[in-house]
Amino acid sequence: AQTVTQSQPEMSVQEAETVTLSCTYDTSESDYYLFWYKQPPSRQMILVIRQEAYKQQNATENRFSVNFQKAAKSFSLKISDSQLGDAAMYFCAYRSGQGGSEKLVFGKGTKLTVNP
Amino acid sequence: EPEVTQTPSHQVTQMGQEVILRCVPISNHLYFYWYRQILGQKVEFLVSFYNNEISEKSEIFDDQFSVERPDGSNFTLKIRSTKLEDSAMYFCASSEAGRVPEAFFGQGTRLTVV
Repeated sequence: AQTVTQSQPEMSVQEAETVTLSCTYDTSESDYYLFWYKQPPSRQMILVIRQEAYKQQNATENRFSVNFQKAAKSFSLKISDSQLGDAAMYFCAYRSGQGGSEKLVFGKGTKLTVNP
Repeated sequence: EPEVTQTPSHQVTQMGQEVILRCVPISNHLYFYWYRQILGQKVEFLVSFYNNEISEKSEIFDDQFSVERPDGSNFTLKIRSTKLEDSAMYFCASSEAGRVPEAFFGQGTRLTVV
């Protein structure tokens, strides 16, 4: 079974600075997807960014980018120019790319605090 | 922008009672899911639903849980006889078929069993 590990329960960053959240995963599959979801205090799960395992290029969405290291099974999220609105729980998630399983497997999350 | 809608936002129920949590997935999506998040813990998969049947379920999804798509728009989760440990945030999600894998989540229903 696939597992996702987020080793940082909490992180903090100064406004306008850059922060990197770590995620590692374990799988024997070669085809899969990785995601970062944001959960603000409202508790809604908001998709931040997605990475396909077959793509070597790291995904980028505005101030959010990932460092995907397939061999190391590592998938970190970098937030540049941090804003107060970035404060939230961040969850890393894995989804199989092979037929039969569409479920997301989540890590335990990292609570990000942004200091003004 | 299309979104997944869940009702109610908060439900309080007595232990042993039945509850139905409702969701309206994004209209052109074909895969539907329920996830659960006990306070302070990670999000856990309960069940996925495709083509009017369960495609996958977790060990959490035992006989007291059921899902249904009663019409063309709603997707429901029923808990037959609630327990204190069912208190959690329940998220509905939906995704398109094919190679578009993103799941979009609703805002959640907070279930409190007393």
